Amino acid sequence: DTGVSQDPRHKITKRGQNVTFRCDPISEHNRLYWYRQTLGQGPEFLTYFQNEAQLEKSRLLSDRFSAERPKGSFSTLEIQRTEQGDSAMYLCASSLDKGTQYFGPGTRLLVL
Amino acid sequence: AQSVTQLDSHVSVSEGTPVLLRCNYSSSYSPSLFWYVQHPNKGLQLLLKYTSAATLVKGINGFEAEFKKSETSFHLTKPSAHMSDAAEYFCVVSDHGNKLVFGAGTILRVKS
Repeated sequence: DTGVSQDPRHKITKRGQNVTFRCDPISEHNRLYWYRQTLGQGPEFLTYFQNEAQLEKSRLLSDRFSAERPKGSFSTLEIQRTEQGDSAMYLCASSLDKGTQYFGPGTRLLVL
Repeated sequence: AQSVTQLDSHVSVSEGTPVLLRCNYSSSYSPSLFWYVQHPNKGLQLLLKYTSAATLVKGINGFEAEFKKSETSFHLTKPSAHMSDAAEYFCVVSDHGNKLVFGAGTILRVKS
């Protein structure tokens, strides 16, 4: 499968714990995006990278959130000191420049 | 700032009847508009996109959408609904070709 992959698909954690999600984009895509989708809502933009540079961050991305794309390939999204309000589906997408964004299956996070 | 409004949170149709999912957009310039579909437990899939070429855009699975600048609308239609069309549909506007801004979604139910 040469699509966007995300790992893990599901994560249950206790409040206050740290979690890290991984996204592997389509191999030739230089842009990588993170979105968050809560129940009953459309996805909301969090941040995006062009190669290894993080070009934009949403105000939704509090200081407990950090994203990296160290070699311009895969990306990680870390949430520190998780809160119940962080429970959501975290979606990753990739594109070639400003082209169509292709989405992965998402990581569903539940914070107890 | 770009935004989209999906006018119906739920639409119910009978199999074989037409589908109409309504979307209005707000943009300060000529927008790029998309429709994505999300089936349960599956990733977001692009149905079609408008990027200032033909105003009538044809997508996958028999869906099409018409860009109407005077009405700031981008409604999604299909002549005949199939059971497999049951899913959540998102109208999306692109912010200068970078991040995507999603509507709240319309859940389509298809009755047999």
